[in-house]
Amino acid sequence: EVQLVESGGGLVQPGGSLRLSCTASGFTFSTYEMNWVRQAPGKGLEWISYIRSSGSTVYYADSVKGRFTISRDNAKNSVYLQMNSLRAEDTAVYYCVRGGESGSYSACWGQGTLVTVSS
Amino acid sequence: DIVMTQSPDSLAVSLGERATINCKSSQSVLVSSNNKNYLAWYQQRPGQPPKLLIYWASTRESGVPDRFSGSGSGTDFTLTISSLQAEDVAVYYCQQYYSTHYTFGQGTKLEIK
Repeated sequence: EVQLVESGGGLVQPGGSLRLSCTASGFTFSTYEMNWVRQAPGKGLEWISYIRSSGSTVYYADSVKGRFTISRDNAKNSVYLQMNSLRAEDTAVYYCVRGGESGSYSACWGQGTLVTVSS
Repeated sequence: DIVMTQSPDSLAVSLGERATINCKSSQSVLVSSNNKNYLAWYQQRPGQPPKLLIYWASTRESGVPDRFSGSGSGTDFTLTISSLQAEDVAVYYCQQYYSTHYTFGQGTKLEIK
């Protein structure tokens, strides 16, 4: 069974930093693309970052580019999101998402971790 | 970025009736070399993470009931639920994965009439 378990969320002050982790199991992690998608309270889904299976290619949404960094450790079956210079508008549930077998659709989702940016 | 626009924003349908949700992209998400539309649909039930329903615009994910179907090509797509069940109450999202920024539609809230 595919499992994605996010951790690292919590309350942080504006301008602060947080590092999210996602640990995967139930599939060969090193062969899949991974993404982070967030959802602000009561709002829709926003894709924010992508990383290729090898880690060689990354993409970011304009809303987080220059502030967030995605990375992965295939030996640890984990993907990370380093979030710096956090703003109130970054408050959201952050989902770790695995790519599909045949394409870059969002095939499997974790339960999410809540990040709250507030003073 | 490719903008995805869903319609309607909300929809109320009677049990057993058909529900139709539309999704329009600001540019084509069809790759002519492989004739594939880079468009997926997701269901998000209250308090749950999203779940993949359809990819490549019309391929049903394993385990998804066959009352869910996807159609369309280029810039216009449709998710159809042929006979609405109570467990289909959810918000539905389309997403393009054609460009390197995988944008979602704003969501369509589906309720029982």
